[in-house]
Parts: sequence; C-alpha cells; structure tokens
Amino acid sequence: KQEVTQIPAALSVPEGENLVLNCSFTDSAIYNLQWFRQDPGKGLTSLLLIQSSQREQTSGRLNASLDKSSGRSTLYIAASQPGDSATYLCAASNTNAGKSTFGDGTTLTVKP
Amino acid sequence: NAGVMQNPRHLVRRRGQEARLRCSPMKGHSHVYWYRQLPEEGLKFMVYLQKENIIDESGMPKERFSAEFPKEGPSILRIQQVVRGDSAAYFCASSPTYGDYNEQFFGPGTRLTVL
Repeated sequence: KQEVTQIPAALSVPEGENLVLNCSFTDSAIYNLQWFRQDPGKGLTSLLLIQSSQREQTSGRLNASLDKSSGRSTLYIAASQPGDSATYLCAASNTNAGKSTFGDGTTLTVKP
Repeated sequence: NAGVMQNPRHLVRRRGQEARLRCSPMKGHSHVYWYRQLPEEGLKFMVYLQKENIIDESGMPKERFSAEFPKEGPSILRIQQVVRGDSAAYFCASSPTYGDYNEQFFGPGTRLTVL
C-alpha cells in the first residue's frame, strides 16, 4: 500500500527566499508523481508531473525532482513571492491509469 | 477546452437526505476519479471510473455511497441518507484516454455541508 508523507506540514519564509518542499513515498514502483497547488477553499492546480523514467521537471520558478530509489521527490521554488502562498500537495500514482495517493500537504506562507 | 466541471459548487443537505454530485470531465478524457477531502485532512481516493465501468472502488465507503459514469452525461457521485460526517469537499479529476501520461486535472470541487 502506497503511503505519501510531506514534511514540514507548514513553512513560513520571507519573500525572495529559495525553498524546498519534501515528499516521500513508501512504494518506489511508482508510475509518476504529480505536484499540485491548492489555495484555500479552491480546487487543485497541477504544477508539474514527473514520469518514473524522468529525474526532474521544470516550469518557470518551479523545479521538481524524483529519486525513486530513495522514495523522495522535492519541489524547489526559486525567488518566492507572496502569491506563492498556498498548500502544496504531492501525489504518487502506481499505474498509468489509476488512483493517486496524496500526501497531507505543506502549507507555505511567503511574507512580504 | 473547458476544464473539469463540477456542480453544484456548494450543497447543503439535512441528515437523511440524498446528495448528488456531478462531474463533467475535460473534453477527450474518459477516465474519472473522485476524491474526498475531509476538514483539515488530505485528499483520499474514493473511486475510479471509465465510461459505463467502475474500475476501482477501493476507497468508497461500503454503504450509502455509489458512483456512475454513463455513456452519455456526467459522472455522478451519490450519497444516500447523508450524515454529518459526510461534510467534506468532493473533488473530481479526469485524465486523458490515450498516451503514457496519467496527469490528472481537477475540478473546483463540491463542498457538501450536512446540517
């Protein structure tokens, strides 16, 4: 059974700082790992999807890495902005068409 | 191309009533997933459907909950005889039919409040 953990549960940083969010999973036989952003009371916005054959994906100031052997993924946010404040969720999928297992998220606050 | 649509966005029911939540996947997507997010908790998988088929319902409560994805029309998550513990945000996601990717696109959710 896949289990996904995100640490820390909450993180507060000053504007402009680079930061890393962590995601670990117990079953390394994943098909892909997806990072999402969720704003309070809103739905989920997909940020990055990393296939099992890939080691990282980049989009703008975001970079996500995947290390299957250690069961870890990280989301790197460069030059953080107050608008980045949200909850960030990672989700692991063990098949190419099936459920994803979510972590509980890291709530990020970027202070002006 | 419209995103995943869910309605209603907010639903209030009294204990014992029925709740029907609707999800229209993105155009070209035939895989639909339902997740539930209880207050202050993470998203939990409920059910995975393709057109006219339930593929994986391992996350569905054994009683009162059912889901369908008919050949025509939206996917429906139905909760009978709702209780206060059913109050949560219910999210639907869809993914493409073809290709190697299982990238899931989420709708805005339906927030169910049971009085």
